[in-house]
Amino acid sequence: KAGVTQTPRYLIKTRGQQVTLSCSPISGHRSVSWYQQTPGQGLQFLFEYFSETQRNKGNFPGRFSGRQFSNSRSEMNVSTLELGDSALYLCASSLDRASQPQHFGDGTRLSIL
Amino acid sequence: GESVGLHLPTLSVQEGDNSIINCAYSNSASDYFIWYKQESGKGPQFIIDIRSNMDKRQGQRVTVLLNKTVKHLSLQIAATQPGDSAVYFCADSTEGGSYIPTFGRGTSLIVHP
Repeated sequence: KAGVTQTPRYLIKTRGQQVTLSCSPISGHRSVSWYQQTPGQGLQFLFEYFSETQRNKGNFPGRFSGRQFSNSRSEMNVSTLELGDSALYLCASSLDRASQPQHFGDGTRLSIL
Repeated sequence: GESVGLHLPTLSVQEGDNSIINCAYSNSASDYFIWYKQESGKGPQFIIDIRSNMDKRQGQRVTVLLNKTVKHLSLQIAATQPGDSAVYFCADSTEGGSYIPTFGRGTSLIVHP
């Protein structure tokens, strides 16, 4: 069974631009969550999607958004990029909810210049 | 590989030793706990979980201990191997209500051959 796939693996952007990251969950998993990982803050929850609806949201500004498609694939978007958005963005999927053991992708490393 | 935590607590052990990694949580309502392992350049990987109605659970070479009184859990790794070198995170959540997992900062385990 294929794992969680995130694309692209690396991305370099400049301040003010926007970016879209993609995640394909494990087949059959309906809950998809996104996390931001930085050395200073660790792993921080961004949002969770289930059945194409955002079910939970972390404490991030509105510049961070996401969506989920009918096949459970998910995208997250960050607009008006800031230097502080440089991080590893991880997608995780689970059967029904984020509190279950999650399967993580290897992340997208976003660098803002 | 990439470092995911530049200022993490670090545990250095010799191959064959037993390792104990500790984690404190703050939410007294948390009733479900998971340990993840994150190798350099990879996403976190599920190791073992425990519910609050248990105080000990064993897996293959790993044991998790939960002390709800002091809101502390530990991960014990028997006969540590170089392949165990990674960052280890605990995550706590509630199975009902706002169940989004909260991740600890992580501990870097270095196993010397």
